Amino acid sequence: SQTIHQWPATLVQPVGSPLSLECTVEGTSNPNLYWYRQAAGRGLQLLFYSVGIGQISSEVPQNLSASRPQDRQFILSSKKLLLSDSGFYLCAWRTRPEAFFGQGTRLTVV
Amino acid sequence: KQEVTQIPAALSVPEGENLVLNCSFTDSAIYNLQWFRQDPGKGLTSLLLIQSSQREQTSGRLNASLDKSSGRSTLYIAASQPGDSATYLCAVSLMDSSYKLIFGSGTRLLVRP
Repeated sequence: SQTIHQWPATLVQPVGSPLSLECTVEGTSNPNLYWYRQAAGRGLQLLFYSVGIGQISSEVPQNLSASRPQDRQFILSSKKLLLSDSGFYLCAWRTRPEAFFGQGTRLTVV
Repeated sequence: KQEVTQIPAALSVPEGENLVLNCSFTDSAIYNLQWFRQDPGKGLTSLLLIQSSQREQTSGRLNASLDKSSGRSTLYIAASQPGDSATYLCAVSLMDSSYKLIFGSGTRLLVRP
């Protein structure tokens, strides 16, 4: 069966520090992969998506970047975190028709 | 640009009531529609998926309908229970190679014992 792993579950980072969040999917191949952010009391905003290795599309200009070094690995990064980067980050995958989500990472930038 | 709206934003009902959550979207050219449940501080759990060619899907006490021409979907929860308390999110998938999900802002449901 397919599973998605996202880590860490919680993270507290100082302003200006780097960030790396990792997401891996098991039990499927060539999935579409997505990074979403959910600010407190807000809906889910799509940040990046990828339809294949090395293919990254950005939905909103921001301080973050994404990479897909392997078929089932999706990484969200930042060189210098801002306070506004705080939020709940969710990774998702799909190979049609249904999409599945990881358990999320709560990032607090202090 | 696809936009998804959910009404109401919050709902509080006594246990045992039947209830309806509403979702509307602006562009009928969708691949499918999914309803998700989110518990506080947790990820999303997929509840029901309706393909664009379907009218409804059922799973246990949940029934979701889709009227693509009018841009509407409803999630019906029968005989609500306190364990149903959560945020319910509606999302449509775009009909392109990204199949990205566009979310509504959710309905926060509280079922009182």
